[in-house]
Amino acid sequence: QVTLKESGPGILQPSQTLSLTCTFSGFSLSTYGMGVGWIRQPSGKGLEWLANIWWDDDKYYNPSLKNRLTISKDTSNNQAFLKITNVDTADTATYYCARIAMVKGVMDAWGQGASVTVSS
Amino acid sequence: DIQMTQSPSSMSASLGDTVTINCLASQDIGNYLSWYQQKPGKSPKLMIYGATNLEDGVPSRFSGSRSGSDYSLTINSLGYDDEGIYHCHQYYEYPFTFGSGTKLEIK
Repeated sequence: QVTLKESGPGILQPSQTLSLTCTFSGFSLSTYGMGVGWIRQPSGKGLEWLANIWWDDDKYYNPSLKNRLTISKDTSNNQAFLKITNVDTADTATYYCARIAMVKGVMDAWGQGASVTVSS
Repeated sequence: DIQMTQSPSSMSASLGDTVTINCLASQDIGNYLSWYQQKPGKSPKLMIYGATNLEDGVPSRFSGSRSGSDYSLTINSLGYDDEGIYHCHQYYEYPFTFGSGTKLEIK
């Protein structure tokens, strides 16, 4: 059974760096064809894809966030990470991580989400 | 970026009805289209991938189709459990993008 769980600071101030952790089980990011994606959703709004990381450490980012994103992984501990620098109120959202299996290509299992509020 | 134009933005239907939700891609995405169902306060659940493939465990009342750059999600024999927001998603090309969502209410 594949499970994922996001964790984060809950609340942070503008200009700070947001650090999110995705802890997962049921698959390994060292296995060929496996990946983890990050997606966010402001309250009452649509989904926005942020970044993907693959088993071979290939990384892809949404250019709309310019160079503020960094995705990484720790295969030994079954974790993936996302950092967003210089946050502002527009980054307030629920952040999800999701597994991607290359055989399907889609995000087929999602975590429950971590709520993040940026406020002074 | 590939734009996914989803319609309608909301709809209301009765128990037992058949409904169709549409997504139009701004350029060719082949069959790299999926549909998610999201209930209030929950994470999205994969329903359809590859435009027409039913995810394991999803009732066969759900089906996906494609006509050119037009993609559709059809739900037959609507039940109360089908209420929620449905999102289309293209994974053909980075950056991945989503439609704006369709809120389905069961009368």
